[in-house]
Amino acid sequence: GAVVSQHPSRVICKSGTSVKIECRSLDFQATTMFWYRQFPKQSLMLMATSNEGSKATYEQGVEKDKFLINHASLTLSTLTVTSAHPEDSSFYICSASRDRDIKLFFGSGTQLSVL
Amino acid sequence: AQKITQTQPGMFVQEKEAVTLDCTYDTSDQSYGLFWYKQPSSGEMIFLIYQGSYDEQNATEGRYSLNFQKARKSANLVISASQLGDSAMYFCAMSLPYSGAGSYQLTFGKGTKLSVIP
Repeated sequence: GAVVSQHPSRVICKSGTSVKIECRSLDFQATTMFWYRQFPKQSLMLMATSNEGSKATYEQGVEKDKFLINHASLTLSTLTVTSAHPEDSSFYICSASRDRDIKLFFGSGTQLSVL
Repeated sequence: AQKITQTQPGMFVQEKEAVTLDCTYDTSDQSYGLFWYKQPSSGEMIFLIYQGSYDEQNATEGRYSLNFQKARKSANLVISASQLGDSAMYFCAMSLPYSGAGSYQLTFGKGTKLSVIP
């Protein structure tokens, strides 16, 4: 089956620093990748949709300058949380779609803790 | 706008028994997809089952079946013969209409935490 690798799985950083999260499709080309945020015991909230080679589309209320998304290739998308603050602490999870496949493939998620 | 409602925050089921997790949805689109994903404590999202809005038969995948009642806008997940490893969060989700680009954007419900009791 298709595998999506997400790194790091856990990161702790100081307030004001930037954190980059990588999402890779290991054995398929991902036409589209999605980034979700999940608070404890809450649902997944879509943050943005990214297509290779084009700018990401952000959901309403998501700061694009705060959450930088780069989809440089058909197998890699990155989410950079810039100048992270404690309120950015959350579980971030990426997913990728494969052409003509009905379902999304999810990474294992990244738990971000900002001190 | 699309909306997914899961009214059961938590459910308990005895091992080897069947359990139904409820999901209702709201959409004005005629073409849509309904999904169930499982999220263990480790965090990854595991695809369980899919039902297309035009599918006449209820979807089944092993011990999972989806009870699709289109008129009621419900898509309940039935897990038969529950196992201890089934303990997890379960999310119902809906996709936007197929855009032809091979990509589906999902809207998730709030989830149901299932606990299987030995």
